[in-house]
Amino acid sequence: AQSVAQPEDQVNVAEGNPLTVKCTYSVSGNPYLFWYVQYPNRGLQFLLKYITGDNLVKGSYGFEAEFNKSQTSFHLKKPSALVSDSALYFCAVRDRGNTGGFKTIFGAGTRLFVKA
Amino acid sequence: DAGVIQSPRHEVTEMGQEVTLRCKPISGHNSLFWYRQTMMRGLELLIYFNNNVPIDDSGMPEDRFSAKMPNASFSTLKIQPSEPRDSAVYFCASTLQGWNSPLHFGNGTRLTVT
Repeated sequence: AQSVAQPEDQVNVAEGNPLTVKCTYSVSGNPYLFWYVQYPNRGLQFLLKYITGDNLVKGSYGFEAEFNKSQTSFHLKKPSALVSDSALYFCAVRDRGNTGGFKTIFGAGTRLFVKA
Repeated sequence: DAGVIQSPRHEVTEMGQEVTLRCKPISGHNSLFWYRQTMMRGLELLIYFNNNVPIDDSGMPEDRFSAKMPNASFSTLKIQPSEPRDSAVYFCASTLQGWNSPLHFGNGTRLTVT
């Protein structure tokens, strides 16, 4: 079965500094990877995805993610953090269910704090 | 596009009562998912539907939980009887079936069972 791991419960970064939120994956076959963000009292919002092609994927709000097959990683990055980026971030992988259909498996989430 | 609509936003009920959570997916989406979020267990997939048919309900915690999707524009998650440990935020999400379609989440229902 597919799975993702987010090794950090929390990441702290100063505003203006680059940020990285880590994710590693375990899949059989081709990986279909996603990042989502959750703000307080809201549902998750899609940020970006890797399906195939370029290893550097660009997404919403200036975020990007780097797919690394040899390290089985899909880290989320942003060159310059904003206070408004403070939120809960989830890495996810698409899996084909045993009984058919497609389901999304989420990591435990990483809370990002950006300090002014 | 109104997005995925869930109701109610908040529900407070007493142990033993029946609770019904509602979801309207995005028009045209053919897959619908129910997730539960808690601090202890994170995001748990409860059940998902394709073309209104339940595909996998292995995440439903107990027989007290049931879900239906009578048509493409409506789904319910019912808990009967409710217990305090059911307190959580319940999310509905919809998408187009396939490998690369992202999920679209509603804003959730915060359930408190006293």
